[in-house]
Amino acid sequence: SSELTQPPSVSVSPGQTARITCIGDALPRQYCYWYQQKPRQAPVMVISKDTERPSGIPERFSGSTSGTIVTLTISGVRAEDEADYYCQSANSTSWVFGGGTKLTVL
Amino acid sequence: EVRLVESGGALVKAGGSLRLSCVTSGFPFTDAWMNWVRQAPGKGLEWVGRIKGKIDGGTIDYAAPVRGRFTVSRDDSKKTFFLHMKSLKVEDTAVYYCLTTTTVTRPWGQGTLVTVSS
Repeated sequence: SSELTQPPSVSVSPGQTARITCIGDALPRQYCYWYQQKPRQAPVMVISKDTERPSGIPERFSGSTSGTIVTLTISGVRAEDEADYYCQSANSTSWVFGGGTKLTVL
Repeated sequence: EVRLVESGGALVKAGGSLRLSCVTSGFPFTDAWMNWVRQAPGKGLEWVGRIKGKIDGGTIDYAAPVRGRFTVSRDDSKKTFFLHMKSLKVEDTAVYYCLTTTTVTRPWGQGTLVTVSS
């Protein structure tokens, strides 16, 4: 898998929309997965295969894709959404993670 | 309920060895694809290695930084996944997580801390 690039940080006020991007040359050919990690906790997957939301994940989390850019959108951000978010993709033999984005809810 | 519980993390000197275990329950383990991912203190996530399920041939792949030093294995009878680490380096210090991609939610374990001292 090739490199995945994320912004180091994103800040939004409660109720606003947060968008976190993940850029990678291979993303048009490989699915992207998004994980949320809160302090001192294990990551939790919030979006699968670019756009699928697993059961138990709030509807305010959504994913979209356009060419080499995949976007995690959190609509109506809540204080509890403050966390680190990582994108991840894979080829047939390896995984790669983005560097992570710290979402701050102001 | 799907559960993954890692253990085996410890403080070890550089050059030493360690074996991590991941005991699983709540999903069909034999054909599950299992991964190890690590996170150095204050850093991001890094994939370590993976073993495919029996039905897919049990193929194993590793990340470049650990290839030749780390070995993943599984005991299907005990629903347990292992990471054997040798020639440990200070830069291997991290929380090590196991996770499966077989279930829709891709659950992770709580992690186990490996500290390699110089």
